[in-house]
Amino acid sequence: DQQVKQNSPSLSVQEGRISILNCDYTNSMFDYFLWYKKYPAEGPTFLISISSIKDKNEDGRFTVFLNKSAKHLSLHIVPSQPGDSAVYFCAASPSGTYKYIFGTGTRLKVLA
Amino acid sequence: GAVVSQHPSRVICKSGTSVKIECRSLDFQATTMFWYRQFPKKSLMLMATSNEGSKATYEQGVEKDKFLINHASLTLSTLTVTSAHPEDSSFYICRTSYEQYFGPGTRLTVT
Repeated sequence: DQQVKQNSPSLSVQEGRISILNCDYTNSMFDYFLWYKKYPAEGPTFLISISSIKDKNEDGRFTVFLNKSAKHLSLHIVPSQPGDSAVYFCAASPSGTYKYIFGTGTRLKVLA
Repeated sequence: GAVVSQHPSRVICKSGTSVKIECRSLDFQATTMFWYRQFPKKSLMLMATSNEGSKATYEQGVEKDKFLINHASLTLSTLTVTSAHPEDSSFYICRTSYEQYFGPGTRLTVT
């Protein structure tokens, strides 16, 4: 039972353009959401998070949008850079816990 | 700098042996740590929640007798893979409840 899903296993974007990564969840008890970037054989690197009381959070080139009614969140990276090429995971945390449930990941490739 | 460290970063062991992986929080005390595993090209799966001074809580489907977790201090949690088999080969990663930081991971290969 995959509670957090990333339906696009891969995405290619030209350098300088916007990258949009999507994530869907099923559990309405999730109230905190995060995005991580990961390289092979390394731990995930935290990028940005959002609480369910907000619908947008921005940090530099990264913006996360949350649509609670649709149980959907997205990560926008603009402008995209070749160094952004990695696997991106969304994660969700049930209310009252510090557990993070991860999505299946999307491999982003930014083309120079 | 890193706020969570893991040791070893890579380990190769023979089938049937046990392997201990350490997860240390640096510069802060972590009452709770989380252990994940990741198979190649797959998602990170939460295995268990490690609580300082008490028993770990395991996720459904994770064998507690096979994956022994000890959280003896506020800065150290250990995961021991007992009687390891090739199917236990994976990337094991820990995380503390402090902020969102993960350790660098441990690659276990069982031959």
